[in-house]
Amino acid sequence: DGGITQSPKYLFRKEGQNVTLSCEQNLNHDAMYWYRQDPGQGLRLIYYSQIVNDFQKGDIAEGYSVSREKKESFPLTVTSAQKNPTAFYLCASRTGRMAGNQPQHFGDGTRLSIL
Amino acid sequence: GEDVEQSLFLSVREGDSSVINCTYTDSSSTYLYWYKQEPGAGLQLLTYIFSNMDMKQDQRLTVLLNKKDKHLSLRIADTQTGDSAIYFCAETPRDSSYKLIFGSGTRLLVRP
Repeated sequence: DGGITQSPKYLFRKEGQNVTLSCEQNLNHDAMYWYRQDPGQGLRLIYYSQIVNDFQKGDIAEGYSVSREKKESFPLTVTSAQKNPTAFYLCASRTGRMAGNQPQHFGDGTRLSIL
Repeated sequence: GEDVEQSLFLSVREGDSSVINCTYTDSSSTYLYWYKQEPGAGLQLLTYIFSNMDMKQDQRLTVLLNKKDKHLSLRIADTQTGDSAIYFCAETPRDSSYKLIFGSGTRLLVRP
C-alpha cells in the first residue's frame, strides 16, 4: 500500500542532544512537509521541500534542519538549539502537479519528549 | 494576512447531526479542506471543496461554503461515537499553492 511512514512513533531527547525524525513516502510525491503540533493548536510549518535537493524554511524553522537527498525521504533533525522541542511532529507529502486539487497526505506522527 | 479560525469544542448526542464551523480571511483561497485527527494519529483527509462551489456532499458529510462571509462548515449526519476526533479546517491560498493554512481544530465529542 502507498503511504507515508514516520519513525519512531515515540522519541526522547536528552539535554544538548540532536535527534532525527524519519519520514519516508512511496507515493511518488514531489513535495514533502514537516509540521509541529502543540496541544490545542493547529499545525505549524517547520520546513518544506518541493523537489529533491531543495528545501525552504517554514514559519518556525529555528532549531530544526532538514535534507532532501532522495525523493522518497525527508528527515527532520531537532537540534539542541530548539529549546522547547516537546511536541507531536507530522510529515506530509503531495504531488507536485500545479493544476487541480493536490491535498497533502499525512503520516501518523512522531511524539518527541525531553528526558 | 492568512488566518483560519475554528471553535475549540463541540459535544453532540449519538445519532444527531454535528456542524463544525470555520472562518478564514484569505478571499483568494482556491481549495478548502477538512481533515480528521484521531488520538495519537496523523491527519486524515475527509473532504474538500473548490472555491467556486457552494456545497459538496459525500455520504454523511456535507460541506457548505459561503464565500461572501468567508465561512466554511462541515455537517456530519447521524453522528457516531467513531466520529469523535479533532477536525481541522485548512485553506490553500491562491498565491501559495504549496501551503496549507490550518485552523486550531475543533474537538468533537459524541455522547452515547
